[in-house]
Amino acid sequence: DAGVTQSPTHLIKTRGQQVTLRCSPKSGHDTVSWYQQALGQGPQFIFQYYEEEERQRGNFPDRFSGHQFPNYSSELNVNALLLGDSALYLCASSTRDRPQETQYFGPGTRLLVL
Amino acid sequence: GEDVEQSLFLSVREGDSSVINCTYTDSSSTYLYWYKQEPGAGLQLLTYIFSNMDMKQDQRLTVLLNKKDKHLSLRIADTQTGDSAIYFCAERFTSGTYKYIFGTGTRLKVLA
Repeated sequence: DAGVTQSPTHLIKTRGQQVTLRCSPKSGHDTVSWYQQALGQGPQFIFQYYEEEERQRGNFPDRFSGHQFPNYSSELNVNALLLGDSALYLCASSTRDRPQETQYFGPGTRLLVL
Repeated sequence: GEDVEQSLFLSVREGDSSVINCTYTDSSSTYLYWYKQEPGAGLQLLTYIFSNMDMKQDQRLTVLLNKKDKHLSLRIADTQTGDSAIYFCAERFTSGTYKYIFGTGTRLKVLA
């Protein structure tokens, strides 16, 4: 049973560019959440997708957007990249059918903005 | 507000017990979690506790919850060098979603 997978593992971009990160949830999970973890910080909630819609959002600007596909996989898009967007981006999956079940995290995508 | 606080560093000798502390803010949080993160890696779930419990033990790990003081602790018995990592506590909001609020992490260093 594959866990949460993310791609790519590492990415280098320059300021002003756009980036797309991808996540496949754990088998049987239908909900995907995205987190940003800056160096030396704890993960910060970006948003959550369920049934292909954004259900909840943290304090992130509109430059951060996402999408969920019918197979429950998800993408995180960041436009007009800033140096401060450099971070580890974590995807987590869960299922609404079993609210007592915790989220499972992927290994993350490390983004460096130059 | 949404704020989970942890001390930044803890250093212990191999074989000793480690206690990592955390304070959280949402008294209605249903679940509280402890995650471990090794360098360059993602988050590994260690254990979690329901808010209607005071204590949970899982092998070398003991979680204590004081709801009155909104204080959570993780005790690691017989700490090993492989336990060196950053430990995050997280609270899950009871809004029906899976939004987790994480602390800033405690870096545990185990000395041989």
